[in-house]
Amino acid sequence: KAGVTQTPRYLIKTRGQQVTLSCSPISGHRSVSWYQQTPGQGLQFLFEYFSETQRNKGNFPGRFSGRQFSNSRSEMNVSTLELGDSALYLCASSSQAVNTGELFFGEGSRLTVL
Amino acid sequence: GENVEQHPSTLSVQEGDSAVIKCTYSDSASNYFPWYKQELGKRPQLIIDIRSNVGEKKDQRIAVTLNKTAKHFSLHITETQPEDSAVYFCAASISGNEKLTFGTGTRLTIIP
Repeated sequence: KAGVTQTPRYLIKTRGQQVTLSCSPISGHRSVSWYQQTPGQGLQFLFEYFSETQRNKGNFPGRFSGRQFSNSRSEMNVSTLELGDSALYLCASSSQAVNTGELFFGEGSRLTVL
Repeated sequence: GENVEQHPSTLSVQEGDSAVIKCTYSDSASNYFPWYKQELGKRPQLIIDIRSNVGEKKDQRIAVTLNKTAKHFSLHITETQPEDSAVYFCAASISGNEKLTFGTGTRLTIIP
């Protein structure tokens, strides 16, 4: 099986712009989560989608949004970019099988805001 | 909400020695505690996890212990090898809830 695929891998934006990141989960996985990783802060939960519905949301401002499509692919969008949004954005998928909680991460999209 | 604290932030260990990383959590409802390893430039990968109905779990050189009363859990790596060098993250969640709260990570360096 192919792993979790994230695009683009690297991108540079300027303050005030917006960005859309894409995530294709492992085939058959219906849960997709997004995390922001910054040095010193670890991984912080953004949101989680299951069957096109947002089930959980982290403590990020409304500039951060996401969605999931019927094929389980997911996108996240950040509007009005700020310097502090520079980070590695990780997508993870889960099989949602009973008693398993393993998240399978993609390699991430590294966003630099200038 | 849940808060997970992880210590130490950096750890250097002589090859062959043991390494211990400790985490505490705040939400007594949390019942699933995974550990992820992230090598430099790579994605985080699950190395071991434990659920609250178990006190200890082992997988070869890796073990995790859980103390529900004290709300802390630890990762133990024995007979460390150079390939164990990485950043390790602990996390906590409620089983079935895919929201993981991560610790801030421990950079483990194995000294040859």
